[in-house]
Amino acid sequence: ILNVEQSPQSLHVQEGDSTNFTCSFPSSNFYALHWYRWETAKSPEALFVMTLNGDEKKKGRISATLNTKEGYSYLYIKGSQPEDSATYLCAFIDTNAGKSTFGDGTTLTVKP
Amino acid sequence: DTEVTQTPKHLVMGMTNKKSLKCEQHMGHRAMYWYKQKAKKPPELMFVYSYEKLSINESVPSRFSPECPNSSLLNLHLHALQPEDSALYLCASSQDLSGGLYEQYFGPGTRLTVT
Repeated sequence: ILNVEQSPQSLHVQEGDSTNFTCSFPSSNFYALHWYRWETAKSPEALFVMTLNGDEKKKGRISATLNTKEGYSYLYIKGSQPEDSATYLCAFIDTNAGKSTFGDGTTLTVKP
Repeated sequence: DTEVTQTPKHLVMGMTNKKSLKCEQHMGHRAMYWYKQKAKKPPELMFVYSYEKLSINESVPSRFSPECPNSSLLNLHLHALQPEDSALYLCASSQDLSGGLYEQYFGPGTRLTVT
């Protein structure tokens, strides 16, 4: 069983605050790391696919970094907006099985 | 069209019933997935199809039977389920498996209740 952990479990911030959360994964057998956003009553939506150590991806106010040697990825949201409220999931893909193992997610609530 | 559709949205079935969940995508994706998601838990992989062949079966009980009749369709046949099988069943697709280099597109899920 692969151990993919996300922290914090939940986060409450004010509109305009910047925030970040962490995904920790095994540092061996790494193939890729995915970030997804899952809003209530909607389908999970892909944010980033990260494959190389040192990768940094950006989409609007959201960015992510990757450190495969130490086994973590950070997701940053700059100037949070209420519409950013969602659960953010990371999924670890390893070389052995080629399958996704999801973390428990970080639930972000942005108050207006 | 970047949509994955799933039917039905909700399903209530008894433990002796036979039912099927359906998933469809028209993005030309050659990998399709079934996940099970219990409340406040992450999605758990059940099955993966690659080019219409079963690629991964995560030791799922035989009362769940997947089928991929063509590259756009994925079914999950259900028979003699248990109440603990009640969950949200999510379907996803990706361009192909390629070791996870492509993001997955998820459907809205089927909320299954077994009585």
